[in-house]
Amino acid sequence: EAGVTQFPSHSVIEKGQTVTLRCDPISGHDNLYWYRRVMGKEIKFLLHFVKESKQDESGMPNNRFLAERTGGTYSTLKVQPAELEDSGVYFCASSQDSGLAGRTGELFFGEGSRLTVL
Amino acid sequence: QQPVQSPQAVILREGEDAVINCSSSKALYSVHWYRQKHGEAPVFLMILLKGGEQKGHEKISASFNEKKQQSSLYLTASQLSYSGTYFCGTESVDSNYQLIWGAGTKLIIKP
Repeated sequence: EAGVTQFPSHSVIEKGQTVTLRCDPISGHDNLYWYRRVMGKEIKFLLHFVKESKQDESGMPNNRFLAERTGGTYSTLKVQPAELEDSGVYFCASSQDSGLAGRTGELFFGEGSRLTVL
Repeated sequence: QQPVQSPQAVILREGEDAVINCSSSKALYSVHWYRQKHGEAPVFLMILLKGGEQKGHEKISASFNEKKQQSSLYLTASQLSYSGTYFCGTESVDSNYQLIWGAGTKLIIKP
């Protein structure tokens, strides 16, 4: 079974440009999460989809970030225009359901998309 | 507010034991542990629920002190494969049950 895949693995762009990150969750996983980790710091929550609906987008830093999950399958995260502070590794994770073991079940992460804004 | 992990980094010899701590100022619903090897995806290790229920795998155990809002991850007789960065994530009402992550503990195991 394929795991969570993210594309691109690394993107280098200049300030002001646009980047779109893509995440393909495990098939059948309704929950999809986006997180970001800035070098050496904590992983920060960005948003949570349940199927195609945004369950919680309280972690989105500002309106330069736009996430979509059309049809409840893959998701994209667009940053437009990119700023220097947007650099970091963007992780996507999916889970089958909220489950019994806490509201957030076992997460399956992708390897991340490293974004470098120059 | 993010949980505090300690230590930030630890170097061990193969076969030695390690304890990684995760402490929060919030009343927690659960604590989750993940390990990330360099360049790879974080991998699930353990979920500990308020009330004492525990899930996990491998030869790694953990505890959750609800009164102190602390969790500890125990790695006994560490193996080279245990190397990586360990993250705890905490769930609480305050976080709307989203995981709030610590900054990670880097564990290096030497032969």
